[in-house]
Amino acid sequence: DAGITQSPRYKITETGRQVTLMCHQTWSHSYMFWYRQDLGHGLRLIYYSAAADITDKGEVPDGYVVSRSKTENFPLTLESATRSQTSVYFCASRTDRGLGTEAFFGQGTRLTVV
Amino acid sequence: DQQVKQNSPSLSVQEGRISILNCDYTNSMFDYFLWYKKYPAEGPTFLISISSIKDKNEDGRFTVFLNKSAKHLSLHIVPSQPGDSAVYFCAAFSGTYKYIFGTGTRLKVLA
Repeated sequence: DAGITQSPRYKITETGRQVTLMCHQTWSHSYMFWYRQDLGHGLRLIYYSAAADITDKGEVPDGYVVSRSKTENFPLTLESATRSQTSVYFCASRTDRGLGTEAFFGQGTRLTVV
Repeated sequence: DQQVKQNSPSLSVQEGRISILNCDYTNSMFDYFLWYKKYPAEGPTFLISISSIKDKNEDGRFTVFLNKSAKHLSLHIVPSQPGDSAVYFCAAFSGTYKYIFGTGTRLKVLA
């Protein structure tokens, strides 16, 4: 399917477990992003990537790890999940053409840490 | 430090009337501003954007106004429709290719 897809859509994990959220886009967009959405905080940037093998921290990177070995994939790993990481996670991508180009978002992954 | 602020968590408007959603920002270096709409259980979808060198951009029922001196932008929806009921996020885009989002405003359009 064309576009940007996230998996899984829903995940429940236990405190201390490692969990990886997947993100795949078919547009060959250079830029990819991970956001988390929390009530009262809106969308906060966790990590972003300008190209394969180039990643950088966003506003709330602690407790998360990313990698980007291929342009189309940008997985987000919680190394040791905590309850404060219960959230809805959104992956996004955008082309590198033009400053004002919008980012396209995936459907989101709802993660619950118990 | 919230660089992009949406001070109204919610807004209710009658169908057919104008909806005005507001957004304030602190960083004068932002290049572009965007509005996204989000329905429950879906990802945000792009609505409209404006360059920092312009003061207005219009697309159908949606108009975004930018007041650089006040560091304020607003989204006008005219006429409002029940299908417009959603959470609206404003976002600022900087040259480092990051989108900084506000906290969102939940719009409810009453039939």
